[in-house]
Amino acid sequence: DAKTTQPPSMDCAEGRAANLPCNHSTISGNEYVYWYRQIHSQGPQYIIHGLKNNETNEMASLIITEDRKSSTLILPHATLRDTAVYYCIVRVTGTYKYIFGTGTRLKVLA
Amino acid sequence: EPEVTQTPSHQVTQMGQEVILRCVPISNHLYFYWYRQILGQKVEFLVSFYNNEISEKSEIFDDQFSVERPDGSNFTLKIRSTKLEDSAMYFCASSEYGGSNYGYTFGSGTRLTVV
Repeated sequence: DAKTTQPPSMDCAEGRAANLPCNHSTISGNEYVYWYRQIHSQGPQYIIHGLKNNETNEMASLIITEDRKSSTLILPHATLRDTAVYYCIVRVTGTYKYIFGTGTRLKVLA
Repeated sequence: EPEVTQTPSHQVTQMGQEVILRCVPISNHLYFYWYRQILGQKVEFLVSFYNNEISEKSEIFDDQFSVERPDGSNFTLKIRSTKLEDSAMYFCASSEYGGSNYGYTFGSGTRLTVV
């Protein structure tokens, strides 16, 4: 089973920030949090990942709480093309595989 | 930006037939993966491959499945005798390193329909 919990769906107005939460209360000290998204039936697209520090790249920011039990993915200025299913994944230490949950279906509204 | 390329985009096969799904990973990547997604369901891990051998596989990846890197550029998934329940999107992925501090690049998938 996935080690993360996400809300099933969210809406966001175009141009506004989209904040997608994720709970991962059983995360271990050396396990990373990854975010991917899947637009329609395309392959998952890597967005960002982090261990304990906040991270930012050209796509998004990742805020991880100090206790590492939850995180938030921030899309600073959502566009219609950001409409997708967003997956928060904790990869189990010592394995190569991602265990995908059901993710959050983000709908960006015009 | 480098891409993982999968062919064909859609394959229809008869039940019991063998099928080979092809993937060209990013050229400097060393770790390769197959995932699948049955329509309306979660993305599921099948297998990871490194240094010409399987490094990890799931319960789904039984004796009907095999993977191969035949020529140093392609990475293939073979299903020996397809069943109706093998109908799914199959995604190939690759990564430069296998450690935790790296993301994967996925291909756009092959839709396999078994009739």
